[in-house]
Amino acid sequence: AQTVTQSQPEMSVQEAETVTLSCTYDTSENNYYLFWYKQPPSRQMILVIRQEAYKQQNATENRFSVNFQKAAKSFSLKISDSQLGDTAMYFCAFMKPRMNYGGSQGNLIFGKGTKLSVKP
Amino acid sequence: DAGVIQSPRHEVTEMGQEVTLRCKPISGHDYLFWYRQTMMRGLELLIYFNNNVPIDDSGMPEDRFSAKMPNASFSTLKIQPSEPRDSAVYFCASSPGLATDTQYFGPGTRLTVL
Repeated sequence: AQTVTQSQPEMSVQEAETVTLSCTYDTSENNYYLFWYKQPPSRQMILVIRQEAYKQQNATENRFSVNFQKAAKSFSLKISDSQLGDTAMYFCAFMKPRMNYGGSQGNLIFGKGTKLSVKP
Repeated sequence: DAGVIQSPRHEVTEMGQEVTLRCKPISGHDYLFWYRQTMMRGLELLIYFNNNVPIDDSGMPEDRFSAKMPNASFSTLKIQPSEPRDSAVYFCASSPGLATDTQYFGPGTRLTVL
């Protein structure tokens, strides 16, 4: 079974600085997808970024980028120029491609989350 | 386009009562997921549907939980009878029909069972 580990329960960063959140996962699959979701105090789960395992190039979305190390099974999130609005819980998630029928494929498996506080 | 809609946003009930949570997925999405979030267990999948058909309900904790999807635009998660340990935030998510598609989450329902 796949597992996702986020080893940093809480982190803080000063506004405008850069912070990196760690995520490791365990799988025997070769083809899969990785996600970072953000959950602000409003509780809404918001997709931040996604990475396909077959792509060597790291995904980027504006101030958010990932460092995907497939051999090491590591998927860290870097937030540049941190803003107060980035304060939230951040969840790393793993997904196998969904098949046409049955099974657990296509389900998101989440880590326990990292609580990020951006300080003014 | 509206996102995933869940109702109610908050529900407080007493132990033993029936609770029904509702979800409207994004129009055109073929997959619908129900997740539960607790401090102890984090986010875990309860059940998911494909084209209104339940595909994997292995995450449903026990027979007190049931989920239905009578049509493409509506799903319910029912707990009968409810217990204090069911207190959690319940999320609904939907996804388009491709194998690689991202799941989009609703705002969640915070359930408190007294």
